[in-house]
Amino acid sequence: KQEVTQIPAALSVPEGENLVLNCSFTDSAIYNLQWFRQDPGKGLTSLLLIQSSQREQTSGRLNASLDKSSGRSTLYIAASQPGDSATYLCAVRSDFGNEKLTFGTGTRLTIIP
Amino acid sequence: KAGVTQTPRYLIKTRGQQVTLSCSPISGHRSVSWYQQTPGQGLQFLFEYFSETQRNKGNFPGRFSGRQFSNSRSEMNVSTLELGDSALYLCASSFRYNEQFFGPGTRLTVL
Repeated sequence: KQEVTQIPAALSVPEGENLVLNCSFTDSAIYNLQWFRQDPGKGLTSLLLIQSSQREQTSGRLNASLDKSSGRSTLYIAASQPGDSATYLCAVRSDFGNEKLTFGTGTRLTIIP
Repeated sequence: KAGVTQTPRYLIKTRGQQVTLSCSPISGHRSVSWYQQTPGQGLQFLFEYFSETQRNKGNFPGRFSGRQFSNSRSEMNVSTLELGDSALYLCASSFRYNEQFFGPGTRLTVL
């Protein structure tokens, strides 16, 4: 059974700093991994999707990496801004033919102005 | 392109009642998945529909059911509501096992 962990559960950093969020999963046989952000009481916004054959994906100030063999992914946020404050979730799709995503518990990020 | 829409956005029900939630996927997306989000359990997969057929189901009791229509719109139903069913219900749509896009959710409160 796939389990996804995100540590730490909460993180506060001053504005302008670069930061890294971590995601680990127990079964390395994944199809793809997706990073989301969630603002309080809202739905999920997709940030990046990494296919199992890829090592990283970039979008603006965001860069996500994937190391399947070690069961890890990281989300790097450059030059953080107060608007980046949100909960960040990673989710793993384990099989082709299965749309089910297994989610981590998230990291609540606060950017201090 | 319009995003995933969910109606209603908020619902208040009492124990024992039933509720139906609706989800309209992004145009062209034929897969619709449903998730329950609670503070204690996080995001948990309920079920997924593709071309009007349930393809996968999570570990939820039979009180939770769903269906999908020919236009890919989906509904989920919860019968005999319990206090523990209070949650944010999210639906997501995707095209061929790629990026999943989520709607804003329906906040269900059971009193």
